[in-house]
Amino acid sequence: SQKIEQNSEALNIQEGKTATLTCNYTNYSPAYLQWYRQDPGRGPVFLLLIRENEKEKRKERLKVTFDTTLKQSLFHITASQPADSATYLCALVSAGYSTLTFGKGTMLLVSP
Amino acid sequence: NAGVTQTPKFQVLKTGQSMTLQCAQDMNHNSMYWYRQDPGMGLRLIYYSASEGTTDKGEVPNGYNVSRLNKREFSLRLESAAPSQTSVYFCASSTRRRGGGQETQYFGPGTRLLVL
Repeated sequence: SQKIEQNSEALNIQEGKTATLTCNYTNYSPAYLQWYRQDPGRGPVFLLLIRENEKEKRKERLKVTFDTTLKQSLFHITASQPADSATYLCALVSAGYSTLTFGKGTMLLVSP
Repeated sequence: NAGVTQTPKFQVLKTGQSMTLQCAQDMNHNSMYWYRQDPGMGLRLIYYSASEGTTDKGEVPNGYNVSRLNKREFSLRLESAAPSQTSVYFCASSTRRRGGGQETQYFGPGTRLLVL
C-alpha cells in the first residue's frame, strides 16, 4: 500500500543549528513533492515545491532535496531560529493526479 | 484579500444533528478541497472540487456531502453527525500553474468540531 512517512518524534535543536527533516514514501511515483509549515491552531502554509526531475531547491534559509531512487525528500532549515518551531508536513502529487497526499508531519522545536 | 475563510471557527454538536461548514476564497482559484485533521492521522482529503460544477470523493468521504455553490464557495455538510467526526476541518483552494500541475494549496484557519 502507499505510504508517506515522516518522523513522528519531535526534533529538538538549538538555535543556530541546521534542522533536517525527512519524508520517505513507498509505492508512489510522485510527479512533485511539497513542504508545508503548520503552526498550532492554524492551517498549513506552503513553503517549497520540488519536481521529480529536480535534485535540490532553495529558498532563503530553506533547502529541499528529492531523491527518487531512495524515495526520500530532506528538508533543511539553516541557522534555525525559535520562530521556526512548528510542524512541517510533506505532501506528494502522483503523476496523473491532481490531489495532494500529506504525511503526518514532524514537529520541530528550536530552543534559544 | 482575505484568502480562504471558514465559518464557524468552533462548533459543538450532539450525535445525529446536522450542520454545514462554509468555505469561501477570494483568489479566483478553480479548485477547492475539504480535509479533516486528527491526532496521529494527519490531513486526510474528504472531498474536492477541481472546478466549478464538479465534485469528487477523496480518501474519507463517508458521512459527508459537499456543494460547490459557485467559484468562490465550497460547503461541507454533515447530515447526521457522529462522535467519529470530531475533528479539525480545513478548507483549501488552489489554481493550476502555467504548464499544468504543480498546484500549491492555500488553507483556511480551520473549524474545530466536537460531536458529543
